[in-house]
Amino acid sequence: DIVMTQSPDSLAVSLGERATINCKSSQSVLYSSNNKKYLAWYQQKPGQPPKLLIYWASTRESGVPDRFSGSGSGTDFTLTISSLQAEDVAVYYCQQYYTTPHTFGQGTKLEIK
Amino acid sequence: QVQLQESGPGLVEPSETLSLTCAVSGYSISSDYYWGWIRQPPGKGLEWIGSIYHSGSTYYNPSLKSRVTISVDTSKNQFSLKLSSVTAADTALYYCARHLVLNYYFDYWGQGTLVTVSS
Repeated sequence: DIVMTQSPDSLAVSLGERATINCKSSQSVLYSSNNKKYLAWYQQKPGQPPKLLIYWASTRESGVPDRFSGSGSGTDFTLTISSLQAEDVAVYYCQQYYTTPHTFGQGTKLEIK
Repeated sequence: QVQLQESGPGLVEPSETLSLTCAVSGYSISSDYYWGWIRQPPGKGLEWIGSIYHSGSTYYNPSLKSRVTISVDTSKNQFSLKLSSVTAADTALYYCARHLVLNYYFDYWGQGTLVTVSS
């Protein structure tokens, strides 16, 4: 299985400041034949299901604010929130879909400082 | 608007079989897409259980494969999960979700249903 490891486990950021969450995969999730990175980011608020934010490592889902961005290589990925808003308080998960079983990171809890 | 809704017993006794159904509205299961189950133990992370294609082809997480059966009923536009020989470790929020092909992100999720394994 591909192991996804997120850092940090929790993060407190001031409103308006940048938040950065990292995700590392135990093997590359870059598919060389199409040059796509099989990595997604989800946001989960209390009592809600995960919501897709980013796919192919850097493509924002329709309706997701542009303060959310994703980047990364074959094994190291980053979710950045450029200017933290109160409604961004949530747990964030990365997921690889390069191969089955699909695997998720352990989650990063983002709070307001 | 695609909507998924999980249903099933909220309490299952140890060693019994957990059975859940995911009703899909706003999209015909028989058209395309894979349909999956993901679970989340209380306060913990996400675990993919398995997925099914509308043709009936199934793909399971090896960690659960011996206990899992996923089936589809295109006439009712729903798919189902059965997990046998459950223990307290199977207590979780169970979500159903959609993905375009097997190796793809999950774009629509149900609200989830909590299943507690206890006598």
